[in-house]
Amino acid sequence: TQLLEQSPQFLSIQEGENLTVYCNSSSVFSSLQWYRQEPGEGPVLLVTVVTGGEVKKLKRLTFQFGDARKDSSLHITAAQPGDTGLYLCAGYPNSGYALNFGKGTSLLVTP
Amino acid sequence: NAGVMQNPRHLVRRRGQEARLRCSPMKGHSHVYWYRQLPEEGLKFMVYLQKENIIDESGMPKERFSAEFPKEGPSILRIQQVVRGDSAAYFCASSPGAGGAETQYFGPGTRLLVL
Repeated sequence: TQLLEQSPQFLSIQEGENLTVYCNSSSVFSSLQWYRQEPGEGPVLLVTVVTGGEVKKLKRLTFQFGDARKDSSLHITAAQPGDTGLYLCAGYPNSGYALNFGKGTSLLVTP
Repeated sequence: NAGVMQNPRHLVRRRGQEARLRCSPMKGHSHVYWYRQLPEEGLKFMVYLQKENIIDESGMPKERFSAEFPKEGPSILRIQQVVRGDSAAYFCASSPGAGGAETQYFGPGTRLLVL
C-alpha cells in the first residue's frame, strides 16, 4: 500500500525556474522527511518536519508540512543544475517506526 | 564522523547462490533498518533491528531472507538461493532512537544483480 503519493513523477525545467513538488496522503504522519537521492547513491536527508503548519527553509529550498500533517510540499527557487536528482518524501505513520516512502519526483534542471 | 557504511556496493550472484549484505551503522546508533528499492518503485521497509534483537520483520519475505545485528560487528542481511526477482538496491539506515520524529540516515546501498 502506497501511503504517500508524490507529484509530479517527472519534472524537467531550465535553470532559474521555480518549482514545487507535492507529497500527499490520506493518513496522518507524526513527521515527514525529505530526501534527495542521486544515481547509485543512498537517500540523503534534506529536512524533517514535525509540527503541522511548519515551514522550514534550506537556502533555496522551502519545505512545508500541512496543518493536518497529511501532506507536505517542497518549493525550489531559481533551480540550478546541481538540484537535479530524485526527491523522496517519507514519513512515520502515527504508529510504528518504519519509514513509508513515496515513489519520488525525478527532477532534471538543464543549463 | 563516518556515516552509515554498506558493503559490498555491488554484488553479482547466480541463481541459487547466497548473498550477504553488510551494514555498519553510524557511531552511537543502535537501531538499524533495511529497505529494498526496486526499479520504478519507492523504498520498501524490510526489517528493523536493535542490537541482538529483531524488532519488526513484517516487510521481509518469509522465505530465503534473514537479518541479524549481533552484539559485535555489522548488521547482516542474508538472502539464500537468490532468484532474479531479488535483483534490487538494498539500503541500510540507522538512527539513535526509534520512531516518532527520529531521523534515519541511509548508507550508499548494495546493488544486487542476480544472473
